[in-house]
Amino acid sequence: GENVEQHPSTLSVQEGDSAVIKCTYSDSASNYFPWYKQELGKRPQLIIDIRSNVGEKKDQRIAVTLNKTAKHFSLHITETQPEDSAVYFCAAIGSARQLTFGSGTQLTVLP
Amino acid sequence: DSGVTQTPKHLITATGQRVTLRCSPRSGDLSVYWYQQSLDQGLQFLIHYYNGEERAKGNILERFSAQQFPDLHSELNLSSLELGDSALYFCASSVARATNTGELFFGEGSRLTVL
Repeated sequence: GENVEQHPSTLSVQEGDSAVIKCTYSDSASNYFPWYKQELGKRPQLIIDIRSNVGEKKDQRIAVTLNKTAKHFSLHITETQPEDSAVYFCAAIGSARQLTFGSGTQLTVLP
Repeated sequence: DSGVTQTPKHLITATGQRVTLRCSPRSGDLSVYWYQQSLDQGLQFLIHYYNGEERAKGNILERFSAQQFPDLHSELNLSSLELGDSALYFCASSVARATNTGELFFGEGSRLTVL
């Protein structure tokens, strides 16, 4: 089945700096890659997603890039703010047609 | 508020017991998913139902079972509970049958503590 690896597990950045979280996937048939944000004690919420026919997608301060050849995708957050502090999960859908999540990245934005 | 309702929010029980977690999806959503999130762990997919039928199974133990009823609410049954079953159990719903054609909306989760 699909295997998604996510790095780093923790990331601290200064407010205003950029943050990058990287994921790799194993199933070359994967075609949908969402990112979810989970604030402490809250439910995961979709923040951005990308499909395999697109290499990059942006939404204000958030962008996701996809390299199908290398089977990796990344989340980029620019001009980070304290409210960006949360756990971020990448995910992929492979041949099993189910979302497989990465292990999560705890992002801390330091004021 | 995602529109997905999970009950109970918290549950404390003993090893060997059986519990039922309930999920009501967003109005109009036909798909219901169950995920397990253990401490410091990611989201482990358990099972997916679409309009009452099981669509896919993930790493769901034989001690666990689920169903989706005609009114589309779902229940996750956990039996012969072990300490390691302590986790946050999320239900999510989407309008789509296929996972890659719709956003998943998560409920607030049911926190199960097995003592």
